[in-house]
Amino acid sequence: SQKIEQNSEALNIQEGKTATLTCNYTNYSPAYLQWYRQDPGRGPVFLLLIRENEKEKRKERLKVTFDTTLKQSLFHITASQPADSATYLCALDEGNQGGKLIFGQGTELSVKP
Amino acid sequence: DVKVTQSSRYLVKRTGEKVFLECVQDMDHENMFWYRQDPGLGLRLIYFSYDVKMKEKGDIPEGYSVSREKKERFSLILESASTNQTSMYLCASSLGGRGNTEAFFGQGTRLTVV
Repeated sequence: SQKIEQNSEALNIQEGKTATLTCNYTNYSPAYLQWYRQDPGRGPVFLLLIRENEKEKRKERLKVTFDTTLKQSLFHITASQPADSATYLCALDEGNQGGKLIFGQGTELSVKP
Repeated sequence: DVKVTQSSRYLVKRTGEKVFLECVQDMDHENMFWYRQDPGLGLRLIYFSYDVKMKEKGDIPEGYSVSREKKERFSLILESASTNQTSMYLCASSLGGRGNTEAFFGQGTRLTVV
C-alpha cells in the first residue's frame, strides 16, 4: 500500500542546534517533493521544493535532501530558533495532471530557548 | 502575493443541513483543492480541480461535492452535514503545469456539526 511517514514523535531541541526531520515514502514515485510549515490554527505555508534529479536544496537556514533510492527526504533547520517551532509537513507530487499533492502527517518541532 | 480566501473562519451547522464552503484565489491559478485536516490523520484530499468546470475525486470524496464555475472560485458542498464531518477544512491553489505545484493555502474553516 502507499504510505508517507514522518517522524511520529514530536521533536524537541535546544536553540542553536540543528533540527532534522524525516519523510519516508512507500509505493510512490514522486517527481517533486515539497516541505511546508504549519502554525496552529493556520494553513500550511510552502518552504521548499526539490526535484527527483536533485540531491540537495538550500534556502537560508533550511536544507532539504532527496534520495529516491532510499525513498526518503531529510529536512534540516540549522541554528534553530524558538520562532521555528511549528509543524512541518512533507508533500509528494507525482507529476500528474492537476498538481495533486499527497501530504505526510507532519512533525511537530519545538525549539527551546 | 497570492491570496486564497475562505469565506468563513468558523462555522457551526446542524446535522442534515446543506453546507457551502467558498474559496477564492486571486492569482489566476489553474489548480484548486479542498482538504480536511484532523488530528492524527493529517491533510486528506477531498476534491480537486485543474480547470473550470473540471473536478476530480480525491481520497475521501464521500459526502461532499464541489463546484467550479469560475476559475477563481472553488466551492465545497456538504450535501447533508453529519457530525463526522466536523473538521478543519483547507482550500488551496497552485499555478499548474509540471513542477508548478507549490500550493497556497487559505486560512482554514473550522466546521462544527452539531
